[in-house]
Amino acid sequence: DIQMTQSPSSLSASVGDRVTITCRASQSISTYLNWYQQKPGKAPKLLIYAASSLQSGVPSRFSGSGSGTDFTLTISSLQPEDFATFYCQQSYTSPWTFGQGTKVEIK
Amino acid sequence: EVQLVESGGGLVQPGRSLRLSCAASGFTFDDYAMQWVRQAPGKGLEWVSGISWNSGSIGYADSVKGRFTISRDNAKNSLYLQMDSLKAEDTALYYCARDFGDYYDTRGEYFDYWGQGTLVTVSS
Repeated sequence: DIQMTQSPSSLSASVGDRVTITCRASQSISTYLNWYQQKPGKAPKLLIYAASSLQSGVPSRFSGSGSGTDFTLTISSLQPEDFATFYCQQSYTSPWTFGQGTKVEIK
Repeated sequence: EVQLVESGGGLVQPGRSLRLSCAASGFTFDDYAMQWVRQAPGKGLEWVSGISWNSGSIGYADSVKGRFTISRDNAKNSLYLQMDSLKAEDTALYYCARDFGDYYDTRGEYFDYWGQGTLVTVSS
């Protein structure tokens, strides 16, 4: 199975900060990488698919990049509603696997 | 509006069975593959099982293979997960999710809509 490792596991940031989350795959997955946001008590929400494609309705302050084994999710200017846990997921080969999550907290 | 509503969760003893359901609405159900994803309390997301639009292709995580069975009824716009020989480590919130494509295991899959989940607790 492909292992997905996110860093950091958690971070504290202020409103307006630029935030970057990293996801590393245990083998090359091209650009088959998705990002989800999960708020407490809520279901995950798709943010980005295919490493850099923004899902419809997702604010443009979210962006994704990377290919091969290293990927990043960037929030250009953190908003109050962005405090949540973010997960990456590889879609290169089944079984689909997720990173352990990165919790973004208010500083 | 796409809606996915899970049901069937509850408290069950180890070794017993439970059947989860997911009622879909707001889209043409048989155009899409469907997936089950679970989340243990305080933990991350784990893919459990997927099924293609016509049930012709099915897959399971190793952790549930041989114990869980996924199925769907396109006439009823419903997805199911039969869970047998339950273990304590199966305790989790189970989400059904729509796959953007029609086969569950195509490269490039992503889960574009999720239900709110149904909680399964396995304990004596």
